[in-house]
Amino acid sequence: NAGVTQTPKFRVLKTGQSMTLLCAQDMNHEYMYWYRQDPGMGLRLIHYSVGEGTTAKGEVPDGYNVSRLKKQNFLLGLESAAPSQTSVYFCASSTGTGRTQYFGPGTRLLVL
Amino acid sequence: SQQGEEDPQALSIQEGENATMNCSYKTSINNLQWYRQNSGRGLVHLILIRSNEREKHSGRLRVTLDTSKKSSSLLITASRAADTASYFCATDNYGQNFVFGPGTRLSVLP
Repeated sequence: NAGVTQTPKFRVLKTGQSMTLLCAQDMNHEYMYWYRQDPGMGLRLIHYSVGEGTTAKGEVPDGYNVSRLKKQNFLLGLESAAPSQTSVYFCASSTGTGRTQYFGPGTRLLVL
Repeated sequence: SQQGEEDPQALSIQEGENATMNCSYKTSINNLQWYRQNSGRGLVHLILIRSNEREKHSGRLRVTLDTSKKSSSLLITASRAADTASYFCATDNYGQNFVFGPGTRLSVLP
């Protein structure tokens, strides 16, 4: 099993550009999450999904959109990137609320 | 504000010594989990302790939970250089999503 994978590993964007981060999991987990991690801070939840076709806002959703068209995939979109979105983005999945979360390796995003 | 707060922010010890990290939280929890993050990598789950448990062991890890003080501690015994990482606590507030603390950076010197 590959677990949780993220694509791409690293990306540089110019302000105003758009991009999509892809997360895939092969563990048949219902729940999937997108977090961002900034220096000196813990992970902050952006959006999450409790099943195929569902999405919900987390702590810091502004400027991001998500989609869960397939159970194994969770996409995070930035429509118009801003320097404040420079961060490391982590995807995670779990079998349910309060259960162990399994994390991907992260995507490092730099917005100039 | 963040639910979990780890203390200390950074810890440096010699190989073979024990490392203790603490986590404090603010509201009632269902369970508390500890995760490790090696530099440049994703988080890896270490241990979960439920609100009705007081202590849990896993290999060289020992976790305690004091719900009256709203705090937890992670003890790593006989530390190794490979234990160098950041350690995070995450609290599950009865169905709400996890809240991660800012983490403790542990350096184990050979």
